[in-house]
Amino acid sequence: DSGVTQTPKHLITATGQRVTLRCSPRSGDLSVYWYQQSLDQGLQFLIQYYNGEERAKGNILERFSAQQFPDLHSELNLSSLELGDSALYFCASSVSRLAGPNTGELFFGEGSRLTVL
Amino acid sequence: KNQVEQSPQSLIILEGKNCTLQCNYTVSPFSNLRWYKQDTGRGPVSLTIMTFSENTKSNGRYTATLDADTKQSSLHITASQLSDSASYICVVRGGSGGGADGLTFGKGTHLIIQP
Repeated sequence: DSGVTQTPKHLITATGQRVTLRCSPRSGDLSVYWYQQSLDQGLQFLIQYYNGEERAKGNILERFSAQQFPDLHSELNLSSLELGDSALYFCASSVSRLAGPNTGELFFGEGSRLTVL
Repeated sequence: KNQVEQSPQSLIILEGKNCTLQCNYTVSPFSNLRWYKQDTGRGPVSLTIMTFSENTKSNGRYTATLDADTKQSSLHITASQLSDSASYICVVRGGSGGGADGLTFGKGTHLIIQP
């Protein structure tokens, strides 16, 4: 158990709909990362938050948005869903200190499997 | 451009055999390299981390090597077991710019162990 909790585990919805994926990081971790993994593809970095602020942005579509709340949990919002958005969405957390030692280890949740029909 | 290339893309071996997975990177400056294991449908889990000064590190039947001069790493699995069937992802930390704390991910090697 990594200590990172993601909900829901599975989600089936229709094209054009909107969904929200939720992530609770490990206790004490300030950084939350979102990754998308399509079938037989590598992990694609979407976005990172550090202590409530957006820190880095990857290949995140404009239809997608995220935020990190004061209690450090994060939500990833996916709207106007298309068939190609079907994928596993992983959340990861790390200590990610802005200064000092940081090995960069990410602790991943079990993922949310999104199926768009 | 920071890149991490892994080979082979996929590999099938018989249970009990050894195998070696490769990771070549162009990330500069280099901070560390980590190997993750991802079971099907699960989140990746760190196996080992290699820093600049380390050449070899073992974790049970897994042995990672790092050649910082040639910017290559390998993950050797000894006496493979069915539970080793997974994707193995190489992640390099370092470089300037980029996203997510300078982490560059490889696409992974999909390993299948057959009985």
